[in-house]
Amino acid sequence: AQTVTQSQPEMSVQEAETVTLSCTYDTSESDYYLFWYKQPPSRQMILVIRQEAYKQQNATENRFSVNFQKAAKSFSLKISDSQLGDAAMYFCAYRSANNNDMRFGAGTRLTVKP
Amino acid sequence: DGGITQSPKYLFRKEGQNVTLSCEQNLNHDAMYWYRQDPGQGLRLIYYSQIVNDFQKGDIAEGYSVSREKKESFPLTVTSAQKNPTAFYLCASSRGLRNSPLHFGNGTRLTVT
Repeated sequence: AQTVTQSQPEMSVQEAETVTLSCTYDTSESDYYLFWYKQPPSRQMILVIRQEAYKQQNATENRFSVNFQKAAKSFSLKISDSQLGDAAMYFCAYRSANNNDMRFGAGTRLTVKP
Repeated sequence: DGGITQSPKYLFRKEGQNVTLSCEQNLNHDAMYWYRQDPGQGLRLIYYSQIVNDFQKGDIAEGYSVSREKKESFPLTVTSAQKNPTAFYLCASSRGLRNSPLHFGNGTRLTVT
């Protein structure tokens, strides 16, 4: 089964600054999908951004962007102009194109300092 | 509004009792999922279902059972065989397309004493 690794259990960033969260994954597949989810203290899971492996262009959603390096199996999330509301757990997730299951990393807890 | 409803939000049971967690969606999604969340371990897949009357085991299916008799419903039973059932349980659903994201419920916190 595919595995997803988030090597940073905790990160902190100053308000208005930029932070990058790391994610690597292990797979033998060539076609798959990658996601970042945010889980605030309410514990509601919220989709932040998604990336199709066949697309070379990095996905962007407002202040959130990814750096997708397929050969390195790396999928980092960059948050620009960090806001207090960005404080949350962030989970990286992998979804195979061959089946419907989705695997998550252990998460990174992001703290935003005012 | 469409969404996923998990009930109850908090559930307490005595050790040795089976307990069923409810998950209902009105998004007309084909696929549904159950995840368990423990501190420091992220989300671990228990079971998932791609269509009615079909489901597959995830990484930690032992001690759990599911059914998918209706498209809208995917209940999870935590049996007495589950050694450490106390956890936060999340249900999710998605369209059948591989690039579709998962939509999550608000979760159920199960405490077994």
